[in-house]
Amino acid sequence: TQLLEQSPQFLSIQEGENLTVYCNSSSVFSSLQWYRQEPGEGPVLLVTVVTGGEVKKLKRLTFQFGDARKDSSLHITAAQPGDTGLYLCAGGSGYQKVTFGTGTKLQVIP
Amino acid sequence: SAVISQKPSRDICQRGTSLTIQCQVDSQVTMMFWYRQQPGQSLTLIATANQGSEATYESGFVIDKFPISRPNLTFSTLTVSNMSPEDSSIYLCSVRGGQVYNEQFFGPGTRLTVL
Repeated sequence: TQLLEQSPQFLSIQEGENLTVYCNSSSVFSSLQWYRQEPGEGPVLLVTVVTGGEVKKLKRLTFQFGDARKDSSLHITAAQPGDTGLYLCAGGSGYQKVTFGTGTKLQVIP
Repeated sequence: SAVISQKPSRDICQRGTSLTIQCQVDSQVTMMFWYRQQPGQSLTLIATANQGSEATYESGFVIDKFPISRPNLTFSTLTVSNMSPEDSSIYLCSVRGGQVYNEQFFGPGTRLTVL
């Protein structure tokens, strides 16, 4: 069974601070996705990383895929209240079932 | 990306009753997925629904409790049968798509409360 552990589980920070969320597994994934979910909505895809060591930037969000494709991180610079939500990583390999991470609940206080 | 709608968006039901959740996709897709989520927590896959065949259920979920229909390539329903308070949760349908096979798109969810 593939597991994706996220840390921290909860994070409450002030607007303008930086933060990093980690997604770790003992399994290798061919691709890894990050999603953000706001209350009352379904998860929304933010990014996909597929190459070991890959770094992708989406405005203030920076995503990195580990060299061995077993882990990933999400760094947010100068967090804003609009970044508040549940962040989920998800990994998949080929046509296998997608595994979702344990989730990180982020609250950004104005 | 696919646009997915779900009905109802929320409901409050009595113990012992059943609720059918509908999921409509704006494009034809081979597989549709049903998930359960406790608020603020991760997703648990209930089953995969393929058009023209029986759904494939994950460990801990059975067809008698969660019957699924998939009459065509754009629509699916999930029924939560003989409900108990433990079934209170958010139910999400999703489809795969995008440039990478494992990318998924989700409906807005159905928030179910069982009294």
